[in-house]
Amino acid sequence: AQTVTQSQPEMSVQEAETVTLSCTYDTSESNYYLFWYKQPPSRQMILVIRQEAYKQQNATENRFSVNFQKAAKSFSLKISDSQLGDTAMYFCAFMKRGGSGAGSYQLTFGKGTKLSVIP
Amino acid sequence: DSGVTQTPKHLITATGQRVTLRCSPRSGDLSVYWYQQSLDQGLQFLIHYYNGEERAKGNILERFSAQQFPDLHSELNLSSLELGDSALYFCASSVAPAAGELFFGEGSRLTVL
Repeated sequence: AQTVTQSQPEMSVQEAETVTLSCTYDTSESNYYLFWYKQPPSRQMILVIRQEAYKQQNATENRFSVNFQKAAKSFSLKISDSQLGDTAMYFCAFMKRGGSGAGSYQLTFGKGTKLSVIP
Repeated sequence: DSGVTQTPKHLITATGQRVTLRCSPRSGDLSVYWYQQSLDQGLQFLIHYYNGEERAKGNILERFSAQQFPDLHSELNLSSLELGDSALYFCASSVAPAAGELFFGEGSRLTVL
């Protein structure tokens, strides 16, 4: 079974500054995906960024980027130029990857980090 | 808008009652997942259906059951409700089990009084 750990229950950042959210995971799988989801007060789960474990290059989506360290099983999220709309819960999640599609591929989530962007 | 529709958005009921939560996946998605989000347990996987068949069960109580219908919509049935069942219940869908991304609905907020 997989576990995902987010060690920072709450964080805050000044508007326009940069913040990094931490995530570590444990798995025996060699092929998998890692995700960061955002849950604003509206409670909708929104995909922020996805990383495929076989890719060495870190994923980037506009102001969001990850630092993926496969050997260390670490997957941190960096938010640059923080905006008020970034205020939300952020969840790190793991999904195994399979070629044939057999089996189930549910997401395993961490407990989340509550990020507050301060004006 | 993710394309996943959940109803009802809010539901208040009493202990011992039974409720049904409904989920319509994105057009073309065959996989439906149910998750429970509570303050103390975080986001917990409940059950996964693919094209009408149960694929996996997670931390789902025996009082809970689900099914996926031929039109691919899914229902989560919660019975003999307890105070601790109060939570946000999410449905998510994907085109296939190994598609590598889940699309979430807005959730159904269940309050048991």
